[in-house]
Amino acid sequence: AQRVTQPEKLLSVFKGAPVELKCNYSYSGSPELFWYVQYSRQRLQLLLRHISRESIKGFTADLNKGETSFHLKKPFAQEEDSAMYYCALSGDGGATNKLIFGTGTLLAVQP
Amino acid sequence: EPEVTQTPSHQVTQMGQEVILRCVPISNHLYFYWYRQILGQKVEFLVSFYNNEISEKSEIFDDQFSVERPDGSNFTLKIRSTKLEDSAMYFCASSGQMNTEAFFGQGTRLTVV
Repeated sequence: AQRVTQPEKLLSVFKGAPVELKCNYSYSGSPELFWYVQYSRQRLQLLLRHISRESIKGFTADLNKGETSFHLKKPFAQEEDSAMYYCALSGDGGATNKLIFGTGTLLAVQP
Repeated sequence: EPEVTQTPSHQVTQMGQEVILRCVPISNHLYFYWYRQILGQKVEFLVSFYNNEISEKSEIFDDQFSVERPDGSNFTLKIRSTKLEDSAMYFCASSGQMNTEAFFGQGTRLTVV
């Protein structure tokens, strides 16, 4: 079954501390993995995707196929990073690239 | 920057009534989606639409639901006879090609009373 697991509902860190938002997935083929972010009162927006291998706003995520993980990391958290973060996957070979989301992690960066 | 637009932002309806949620996808996009998020739960895929027909739908998308692209710009989700459990945030999304970024609308909060 296709599934995305984000074990933490809430992650609270202090400004300047490292951040790691965990994401594990279950998928039989070769999925594409994404991180979406939703700032307060704003729409869901793409933060990064594994195939682009970019660093966006200081965030990176590496796909680990052995551990079926796609954890999101940032070395030094900023207050403006406070938001809801969703890990998602899209399957290969399907009729469409629908997204399967995790339950989300609320990141709260304290001053 | 082009955006996906959804109206209304909040809809309150009585149980058993029909509702239509409206979306204007980004103009040159070809793939359209509806997702929903019940309060406190994950964002769930409902349906995808391409080339004027449904390309994939989830178990949630039963006979009470339908989608339409009536005029080449709007993309609507109709719920024929709403139930209390249909109360959720409904998100529309569009993408330009098969494996490109999906852009989401602001969502419509549907409250069934």
